[in-house]
Amino acid sequence: RKEVEQDPGPFNVPEGATVAFNCTYSNSASQSFFWYRQDCRKEPKLLMSVYSSGNEDGRFTAQLNRASQYISLLIRDSKLSDSATYLCVVNGVDNQGGKLIFGQGTELSVKP
Amino acid sequence: ETGVTQTPRHLVMGMTNKKSLKCEQHLGHNAMYWYKQSAKKPLELMFVYSLEERVENNSVPSRFSPECPNSSHLFLHLHTLQPEDSALYLCASSPGLAGTFYNEQFFGPGTRLTVL
Repeated sequence: RKEVEQDPGPFNVPEGATVAFNCTYSNSASQSFFWYRQDCRKEPKLLMSVYSSGNEDGRFTAQLNRASQYISLLIRDSKLSDSATYLCVVNGVDNQGGKLIFGQGTELSVKP
Repeated sequence: ETGVTQTPRHLVMGMTNKKSLKCEQHLGHNAMYWYKQSAKKPLELMFVYSLEERVENNSVPSRFSPECPNSSHLFLHLHTLQPEDSALYLCASSPGLAGTFYNEQFFGPGTRLTVL
């Protein structure tokens, strides 16, 4: 089982749609969770940190379910500029403390 | 502008060349990282430095050699690379020490490396 697994993409949605991405992680001891966004041929950029039961930032809502080891990202009222690859990132726990484990990413394409 | 810069942005080298990638962070962070991103694959952590001390070498071949002279600079020295080493090499920094929970990382723009 992969340490961090995301929905396979791509997601093609019209402007204004609501879209949700799912992510599961294998290490139940993981402590922190993030969503990063990566535009084509660019570096990943932090979109949201996900703590406790989840949080919201404008059109973006992240949810965390520790019991199911599941994280989600909901994007409401999609914009053309939301087109990117979304990376689920989990703080993996090992003997030396945490390190970030990246999922393979889910590609989103928002169409006019 | 992320505050993490990388040079060069693009690099083409032969298998017998020696080159170096440079990363500089202007954020006052304590930890720096090298990642490799190949097409259609997740980011792979290569090296971690915390307060200039290497704390992780993620089974990276010896043809990749990192150097961290101070907390703001990180280098990746390359020699006798293989074509399969062609990838995007990303540098990142984080405010807390490596191994700290809730440690958000900030990435540089990357160096796109092609090995012929």
